[in-house]
Amino acid sequence: TQLLEQSPQFLSIQEGENLTVYCNSSSVFSSLQWYRQEPGEGPVLLVTVVTGGEVKKLKRLTFQFGDARKDSSLHITAAQPGDTGLYLCAGAKGGSEKLVFGKGMKLTVNP
Amino acid sequence: NAGVMQNPRHLVRRRGQEARLRCSPMKGHSHVYWYRQLPEEGLKFMVYLQKENIIDESGMPKERFSAEFPKEGPSILRIQQVVRGDSAAYFCASSPLGGAINGYTFGSGTRLTVV
Repeated sequence: TQLLEQSPQFLSIQEGENLTVYCNSSSVFSSLQWYRQEPGEGPVLLVTVVTGGEVKKLKRLTFQFGDARKDSSLHITAAQPGDTGLYLCAGAKGGSEKLVFGKGMKLTVNP
Repeated sequence: NAGVMQNPRHLVRRRGQEARLRCSPMKGHSHVYWYRQLPEEGLKFMVYLQKENIIDESGMPKERFSAEFPKEGPSILRIQQVVRGDSAAYFCASSPLGGAINGYTFGSGTRLTVV
């Protein structure tokens, strides 16, 4: 059973389009992190959210943590080919430093 | 200001051999974590260490796998008598205290292939 479900699993879009990635769970997390991973490399941290309802922006990326801290979303505006990669969400439960990862959303942005 | 350094990047072992994966955390980071990524799977937590201590090894297979983070030198993930199912990418991450809040820095991984 996957604790964190990401959807969609794959997405291929044209440059300039918008997209939203979802990360859902039936469990409550004390914090949730989003990472981007390129082929042959390790995940790179994009953001950490810790407060229910929190919204963080990173240039064209907008991250939201659900009010109940069970889900999160990542919205990308005007996607660019450089956004291509595997987007991973990962949650930590209270008192634990252990991250539970989703399987990721593989994004391809075509020029 | 080097990031998390893992070596080797690629490792090929025959079934039954030992694999040793090394990880040097970022300068100033005293917490090290190992994760395994299987094809078509997400990253799975294996072990969390601080200098000379194993804090959480709940994700480590009971046999053949061990990890250490000595006072001096890198953290080592050791796999004895490797089998084909051990083939995966192994990632090390480090953080200062509070990585769950502040985020983790991952290395580029070691890709282990068992033939």
